[in-house]
Amino acid sequence: KNEVEQSPQNLTAQEGEFITINCSYSVGISALHWLQQHPGGGIVSLFMLSSGKKKHGRLIATINIQEKHSSLHITASHPRDSAVYICAVRARYYGGSQGNLIFGKGTKLSVKP
Amino acid sequence: DVKVTQSSRYLVKRTGEKVFLECVQDMDHENMFWYRQDPGLGLRLIYFSYDVKMKEKGDIPEGYSVSREKKERFSLILESASTNQTSMYLCASSGTDEETQYFGPGTRLLVL
Repeated sequence: KNEVEQSPQNLTAQEGEFITINCSYSVGISALHWLQQHPGGGIVSLFMLSSGKKKHGRLIATINIQEKHSSLHITASHPRDSAVYICAVRARYYGGSQGNLIFGKGTKLSVKP
Repeated sequence: DVKVTQSSRYLVKRTGEKVFLECVQDMDHENMFWYRQDPGLGLRLIYFSYDVKMKEKGDIPEGYSVSREKKERFSLILESASTNQTSMYLCASSGTDEETQYFGPGTRLLVL
């Protein structure tokens, strides 16, 4: 079983729709990251969070530590939001935090005009 | 702005060739990482380094080695390229364990 699971794997939306991408994890963590990868390969960090909620423009990320779950929301989606969205967690082991990230397999989002 | 650059965007090599992928960051970051990304498998860590001349194996180090002689530069070496090493290779760096990782643009390697 993967330690980080994302759903859905693929998502097609119409421009303007509200989008939610989910991430569940099975390990104790010190932080969770949401990353965006556009066609062509470059990866950009969108959010790093360890509790609560963060907002940047039309993007909102939430995390529930007790339920080991995070969501990424996109309001008023636009074709330029089309990308792969990747959830990654930094695992915490026995009181310390390990430097490495554990990645989900990504959610491919396509927003149609 | 943090900048992580990789030596090539696209590379075509033959089976058995020695391949060098170079990564340079300009933010004086301690940590540097090499990942490969394959469809359906996501990002997998090959090696990472937390200081000059220090290296640690990631999840899939077999067939790879790394070199970090200077803080800003982290090289990935395929001693004898094989077709199953055809992949997208991504380098990243971060200041500390708790900080965001900054990614390079990736190198798409094709081994024939």
